[in-house]
Amino acid sequence: GAGVSQSPRYKVAKRGQDVALRCDPISGHVSLFWYQQALGQGPEFLTYFQNEAQLDKSGLPSDRFFAERPEGSVSTLKIQRTQQEDSAVYLCASSLERGRVGAFGSGTRLTVV
Amino acid sequence: AQRVTQPEKLLSVFKGAPVELKCNYSYSGSPELFWYVQYSRQRLQLLLRHISRESIKGFTADLNKGETSFHLKKPFAQEEDSAMYYCALLDNYGQNFVFGPGTRLSVLP
Repeated sequence: GAGVSQSPRYKVAKRGQDVALRCDPISGHVSLFWYQQALGQGPEFLTYFQNEAQLDKSGLPSDRFFAERPEGSVSTLKIQRTQQEDSAVYLCASSLERGRVGAFGSGTRLTVV
Repeated sequence: AQRVTQPEKLLSVFKGAPVELKCNYSYSGSPELFWYVQYSRQRLQLLLRHISRESIKGFTADLNKGETSFHLKKPFAQEEDSAMYYCALLDNYGQNFVFGPGTRLSVLP
């Protein structure tokens, strides 16, 4: 595709429900990042992949958050037992360059009710 | 740990006036600094990076290591510049990419 694609665009989850957010990076992009952006805040780093290797997951807020990129392309961010504080826009970004954020997706807006 | 601050949440200027969006960082090494912009209903996109020393859409930013600042400037603001602007830092290990909280620029007619 032409850009980074994220799905779904919007997700409403009941508290306690598990959710899975998908990111399709630009083809051939080595680096993939997940960010969480709460209302009125800047993007907060969650995790970083270089190909299929998850090199940094220091930003994941709890063990309810899990990300994978098994074949070095599509990535999934999973949140188990969602809580209201998980409500945010989840942004994915990919880049040809190692470690550098390039193109962003439109994000998935998660609302936990 | 590295940190990026943007002291203004909202900045309003009139069309044609100069604009400066402030960004300060805390990092002891030699970081790489970036500005990102998000126009209404659009995705976040890179505006410029300090190593390129470029001017994009009339915006420039100079890295001042002494003041640990990377302020974004434009001499004559346009209404289409209204957007959210985020300053970001990459550490010199190329491993941590950190965003500031953002400044909303509103250019009034």
